[in-house]
Amino acid sequence: EPEVTQTPSHQVTQMGQEVILRCVPISNHLYFYWYRQILGQKVEFLVSFYNNEISEKSEIFDDQFSVERPDGSNFTLKIRSTKLEDSAMYFCASSDRELQPQHFGDGTRLSIL
Amino acid sequence: GQQLNQSPQSMFIQEGEDVSMNCTSSSIFNTWLWYKQDPGEGPVLLIALYKAGELTSNGRLTAQFGITRKDSFLNISASIPSDVGIYFCAGQLDAGNMLTFGGGTRLMVKP
Repeated sequence: EPEVTQTPSHQVTQMGQEVILRCVPISNHLYFYWYRQILGQKVEFLVSFYNNEISEKSEIFDDQFSVERPDGSNFTLKIRSTKLEDSAMYFCASSDRELQPQHFGDGTRLSIL
Repeated sequence: GQQLNQSPQSMFIQEGEDVSMNCTSSSIFNTWLWYKQDPGEGPVLLIALYKAGELTSNGRLTAQFGITRKDSFLNISASIPSDVGIYFCAGQLDAGNMLTFGGGTRLMVKP
């Protein structure tokens, strides 16, 4: 069964550094998402992306965050200057427009030191 | 923003027992989804519900989309040890829109 893949599985970064999290959505999907989950808390929406532009974003997704689909397969989340509170699991998800639900990758654990 | 209240927060049950958990919202959703998350992994879709009143089963799992569109429940019958994990409800307004997640129900099953 097709799946969403995310790399790396764990990223350790110094505070203030830039980090890029990578995702390969399911190949025929059109909508792409990033969510985050702080340890022990609920999954929170960050941003959705469709037709090469952001369609929705949450208050968490401030100017430090950006997303890109650099080619036909990858979908990336960049945090420009990481803060301690950015430490979390970051999940990528994708869906087909035909009312198919969102399918999640296994996440990248981001640890900011 | 929209909030989903999920209960109970945790359950510790004996293998073979049935389990019920639910989510309520102050606003309506057009789609309700139930996911399961195992440690170190992403949420895995269990059941998707698209119509108010809809009752859908997936093996031992049954979920319903409330008539008011503001609630949903998930039942697991005859629980087994591999049912252990965190179950999340999620609401969505339209296809392609963000998911709003509940706080999760941590299920523990005693063999």
